[in-house]
Amino acid sequence: KNQVEQSPQSLIILEGKNCTLQCNYTVSPFSNLRWYKQDTGRGPVSLTIMTFSENTKSNGRYTATLDADTKQSSLHITASQLSDSASYICVVSAPNDYKLSFGAGTTVTVRA
Amino acid sequence: ETGVTQTPRHLVMGMTNKKSLKCEQHLGHNAMYWYKQSAKKPLELMFVYSLEERVENNSVPSRFSPECPNSSHLFLHLHTLQPEDSALYLCASSRGTGDNSPLHFGNGTRLTVT
Repeated sequence: KNQVEQSPQSLIILEGKNCTLQCNYTVSPFSNLRWYKQDTGRGPVSLTIMTFSENTKSNGRYTATLDADTKQSSLHITASQLSDSASYICVVSAPNDYKLSFGAGTTVTVRA
Repeated sequence: ETGVTQTPRHLVMGMTNKKSLKCEQHLGHNAMYWYKQSAKKPLELMFVYSLEERVENNSVPSRFSPECPNSSHLFLHLHTLQPEDSALYLCASSRGTGDNSPLHFGNGTRLTVT
């Protein structure tokens, strides 16, 4: 079983609306959690990174939250734009370990 | 641009062909990685190099052969592949391994094995 589970697998939203993506993980011990955005035909690009002591981090219209006690994270997209259409990948790392645990991603489609 | 360049962007090859994927990073990083990305699946780590030394092989079939001639270049040599090897192959680099520095990905090579 994958140590990082993301939901939903995909979603469609109208331009201007908000949405929230979920990430649950079982990785332990825990070092940090990153959200990546992957546009079609491109490699993933880092959006946010949060360590154990951080419970929220923003990057423009993207806000990530982390609850290290329940091992859950969310990524909230505010006032979605067509350019937000992409796959969003949750990645969890353990201390001093290059073997990252990747979620399968959530595909977001923003429609006009 | 990401600072990590992969070529070719697309590759179609038969099962008996031999081809190579190339990756170059311009970020001064010491670690380079090959990942396989299949549809609706998590990224799978294939190979890791730190300062040109391979540190991870991750049970990858021998039909995939990596080469790291220096810290800026990484190759993936392919021979006698199977149709199930069709996927997006992503190269990434980071400052180091184990220091939790972020990965910088290239845009990948879309490989189709016929």
